[in-house]
Amino acid sequence: SQQGEEDPQALSIQEGENATMNCSYKTSINNLQWYRQNSGRGLVHLILIRSNEREKHSGRLRVTLDTSKKSSSLLITASRAADTASYFCATAGPYGNKLVFGAGTILRVKS
Amino acid sequence: EAGVAQSPRYKIIEKRQSVAFWCNPISGHATLYWYQQILGQGPKLLIQFQNNGVVDDSQLPKDRFSAERLKGVDSTLKIQPAKLEDSAVYLCASSLDPAGYANTGELFFGEGSRLTVL
Repeated sequence: SQQGEEDPQALSIQEGENATMNCSYKTSINNLQWYRQNSGRGLVHLILIRSNEREKHSGRLRVTLDTSKKSSSLLITASRAADTASYFCATAGPYGNKLVFGAGTILRVKS
Repeated sequence: EAGVAQSPRYKIIEKRQSVAFWCNPISGHATLYWYQQILGQGPKLLIQFQNNGVVDDSQLPKDRFSAERLKGVDSTLKIQPAKLEDSAVYLCASSLDPAGYANTGELFFGEGSRLTVL
């Protein structure tokens, strides 16, 4: 399966600290995406990184991709209480037409 | 721009009853997805449509689940008869192109339909 697996399962930090979440997957991919889900809501797309890219930034988000290790990381800098949510990585396989989600990391930012 | 609309938001039924969920994707989005999210887990793809054709339904329990996308726009997901393990949030998503295509890949999700089977 190409399903991503996030690590850690849960993370609790203080406001202002950085949060790092990791994702590992098993097969080759076309792209890897990160989504956020607030409690009781739908998922919101954060960032997409393609297999030929190594790093992308979007605001306070930084994503890295290491295809040799089949892993990705999501860094949220200067976290805020509003960042409290579940974060999922999702991988699109080499033929690209199916997005498979991991189990997610629950992030709690304490104010 | 209107987002992905889903209804109902909540549904409680007895096991062996039937239920239907409706989804209206973002206008112009060719690809529509139904995901099942069990509490504490990530979303699992049930079925993916490209326009009104099925691209992937490999994880759809076809003995009880069915889905259709009439005229390549709205979609309905039906469960009949429901089992206790079907209790979950059913998420509909849409995208301009399938997840791995060159220009896009972002999925837009609705708020979900929470099903409780008693």
